[in-house]
This record gives sequence, structure tokens and C-alpha cells, in this order.
Amino acid sequence: KAGVTQTPRYLIKTRGQQVTLSCSPISGHRSVSWYQQTPGQGLQFLFEYFSETQRNKGNFPGRFSGRQFSNSRSEMNVSTLELGDSALYLCASSLVERRNEQFFGPGTRLTVL
Amino acid sequence: DQQVKQNSPSLSVQEGRISILNCDYTNSMFDYFLWYKKYPAEGPTFLISISSIKDKNEDGRFTVFLNKSAKHLSLHIVPSQPGDSAVYFCAASDKGTGTASKLTFGTGTRLQVTL
Repeated sequence: KAGVTQTPRYLIKTRGQQVTLSCSPISGHRSVSWYQQTPGQGLQFLFEYFSETQRNKGNFPGRFSGRQFSNSRSEMNVSTLELGDSALYLCASSLVERRNEQFFGPGTRLTVL
Repeated sequence: DQQVKQNSPSLSVQEGRISILNCDYTNSMFDYFLWYKKYPAEGPTFLISISSIKDKNEDGRFTVFLNKSAKHLSLHIVPSQPGDSAVYFCAASDKGTGTASKLTFGTGTRLQVTL
């Protein structure tokens, strides 16, 4: 069974731009969660989607948003990028009935210049 | 407010010996715990988990122990192998409030297994 895939793997943007990251979950997994990993803050939960609806949200500003499609693929968007948004963005998928058991993709490394 | 703490940033163990990684938590609502292993430039890989109704779970070389009264869990790797060298994260979730999907992670412990 293929794992979680994320595209792109690396991205360089400049301050003020916006970015969209994509995630394809493991087949059969309908819950998708997003996390941000930085050296200072560690791994922090952004939000979770299943059935195309946001189910949980972490403590991030409204510049961070996401959506999920009917095939369970998910995208996250960051608008008006700031230098502090440079991070590894990780997507995780899970079965809806076992949402706490998450399987992570390789991440997208975002660098904001 | 760090609700999940891994107080040892690094650990060095000889090949063949036991590696013990520790994790403490403060939120008494946490009821499910997981350990992940992470290599550089890769996402975390799920290793093993434990529900709060158990005090031990074993999977091959990996065993997780949970002490609810002390709010402490540990991961034992026996025997340790060079391929186990990675950063290990413990994570916790709170099923009770409908936020089961929100994993709270510790800061990680870098394990180095030496020959």
C-alpha cells in the first residue's frame, strides 16, 4: 500500500507571497491532518479534515488554511508569507475510526526569503 | 506550555544494548500515546502506541511502558541496532474532547547507536 505523498518536496518563496501544498493520503484513509515542524517550536498541529470538513484546528493565524476534496486529497494554503513560516510541513493520514493513529508523509520543506 | 516533555535531547547506546527513551506529560486528559521515529528530511514513522487502559505494549524489539500515576511513558528498544539511530518523538492525544486527531508532540530525543 502506497504511503502518504506530499508535493512539492521543496519550495522557496518570498515574503508576501502565498503557497499551496498538496497531500495524498494512504488509500482508505479519509482523515488528513497537517503539522508544522520548526526547530524552535517542534511539531505543531495545524488542522484536520475529513469528509471535506475541518474537524480540528490548532493555534495558527487565519493565514493558514486548508481544504479537502472528495477523494480525501488535501491542500493547505499559507497566504502573505512571513519569514517565520519557513518550516517543514507534514501531512498525516488516518482511518476515521482511528484518528489518533496517524501516518506521516515526507513533508514539504518551505523556505521563505 | 509544553504538555509533552522529552527531557533528554540525546542518548548514546552501544549496539546490542537496551535503549530507554523517556517521556513525561502533564495533561491528565491524554489517553493515547504514540512513539515515532524520524530520520532527517523524512516524515515521522509510526513505531508503537499504547492506550491508557494498558500499562505495556510490545512489538518486536520495541516495548512501550505507561505509568499513568506518574504521567510517564518510556520506549525500550532491545537490542539496539545502528539503524535505530534517529530522532524519537513521543506524542499524545486526547480522545475525550473530540480532538483525538490533534497529536501533541514532545521535542524529541536523538538516539545514536554506536558500534
